[in-house]
Amino acid sequence: ETGVTQSPTHLIKTRGQQVTLRCSSQSGHNTVSWYQQALGQGPQFIFQYYREEENGRGNFPPRFSGLQFPNYSSELNVNALELDDSALYLCASSRGGQGNEKLFFGSGTQLSVL
Amino acid sequence: AQRVTQPEKLLSVFKGAPVELKCNYSYSGSPELFWYVQYSRQRLQLLLRHISRESIKGFTADLNKGETSFHLKKPFAQEEDSAMYYCALKRGSNYKLTFGKGTLLTVNP
Repeated sequence: ETGVTQSPTHLIKTRGQQVTLRCSSQSGHNTVSWYQQALGQGPQFIFQYYREEENGRGNFPPRFSGLQFPNYSSELNVNALELDDSALYLCASSRGGQGNEKLFFGSGTQLSVL
Repeated sequence: AQRVTQPEKLLSVFKGAPVELKCNYSYSGSPELFWYVQYSRQRLQLLLRHISRESIKGFTADLNKGETSFHLKKPFAQEEDSAMYYCALKRGSNYKLTFGKGTLLTVNP
C-alpha cells in the first residue's frame, strides 16, 4: 500500500509569484484535504476535494485554489504569493468524503516566500 | 467558531511518570475529538479518537463535555512517547479538522 506522497519537499519563491504543490493520495482513497501549518502553529484547513469536486473550504482567500484529478491525486495552487504564505503545506487523503474517515498525512511541502 | 486550546507548548516528564496533555475546546454542539501525534522525522498520524473509546500505546483520553476538555493521559511515560501532540476537533459530519497549536512532550530517561 503506497502512502501519501507530496512534491516538492522544499520550495523557495519570491513575493508575487505563483506556486503549484502536488499530492498523490494513498491507494484506495478518493478524498484529499490540504492544510497549512505555519511555524509554531497547528495545521489549518484550506480545503478538501472529493471525487474531483471541492467539498469544503476554510478561511483562505481565492488565490488559494486546487484541483483533483481522476486518479484522485491533487494540486494546490497559490497565486500572488505573500510573505505570510511561508509555511508547511500538508496533504491528507482519506476514504469516503463524509468526514468520518481517518486522515493519512503526507510529509509536507515546505514553502518559503522571500 | 470552534476552537481548540492546548495550554502547554512544552511538557517534560521523567520515564515512568504519569503524563497528561491538556486539551480544551469551544463548540456548542456535539464535537468529535482526536489526538494526532508526530514523532521525530515522521509524518502526522492519528493516535486516537474519542468515539472509539480505545487505548493506543497506553494512552487514553476521555471527552468531558461539562468541562469541554479532552485530555490525553498515560500512567507511565516511555522515552518513545517523546513527540509533538495535537488535539483536533471535528463537528458533526463536517469534513474540517480544527487543530490546537500542539504540545511537545519530552520524556527524559
